[in-house]
Amino acid sequence: DAGVIQSPRHEVTEMGQEVTLRCKPISGHNSLFWYRQTMMRGLELLIYFNNNVPIDDSGMPEDRFSAKMPNASFSTLKIQPSEPRDSAVYFCASSLEWGAGEAFFGQGTRLTVV
Amino acid sequence: GNSVTQMEGPVTLSEEAFLTINCTYTATGYPSLFWYVQYPGEGLQLLLKATKADDKGSNKGFEATYRKETTSFHLEKGSVQVSDSAVYFCAPRNTDKLIFGTGTRLQVFP
Repeated sequence: DAGVIQSPRHEVTEMGQEVTLRCKPISGHNSLFWYRQTMMRGLELLIYFNNNVPIDDSGMPEDRFSAKMPNASFSTLKIQPSEPRDSAVYFCASSLEWGAGEAFFGQGTRLTVV
Repeated sequence: GNSVTQMEGPVTLSEEAFLTINCTYTATGYPSLFWYVQYPGEGLQLLLKATKADDKGSNKGFEATYRKETTSFHLEKGSVQVSDSAVYFCAPRNTDKLIFGTGTRLQVFP
């Protein structure tokens, strides 16, 4: 398996534009996580899904952020409209076991909003 | 919910020095415990894990022992290398969430 695949690897956009980040989890994994990493705040859990259903989105910072998982092999994180303070590295991770298994991370998407 | 406290970084060591990175956690029940490592420009990857009290996880010369009585999972390595320079994250997990500590940056100089 190729592991968790995220796209794009880098994204530069202007303030106010819509940004969509994509993630393909490892086949067969039933949990998916979206994280944001910054120097100031560290690694923050934004939202996670189990069997394609959002379980907890309490980490999503504002209504400008939304995430979907239309099927077991694809998830998106959308920011609309984007702001400079959204600049960060966004990671997607997937896990096989619910509750106690290790998570496998993608390479991340580095987002810069200018 | 679960939470984790890691020692502040950066930790700066010379090659072949002994490494300890402290981690304590709070969690309900009996979580599995993980150490992840993040090399520059990459995502996190699992370094080692332990699933029950007194278990020792080990990998690439790193070790950590699940201490239930002190709710700790300290990471150790007897002789670090320059290639070990990275950020290390401790994470307990026994619920659906996977929460990480702040991470500890390790810098190893030749």
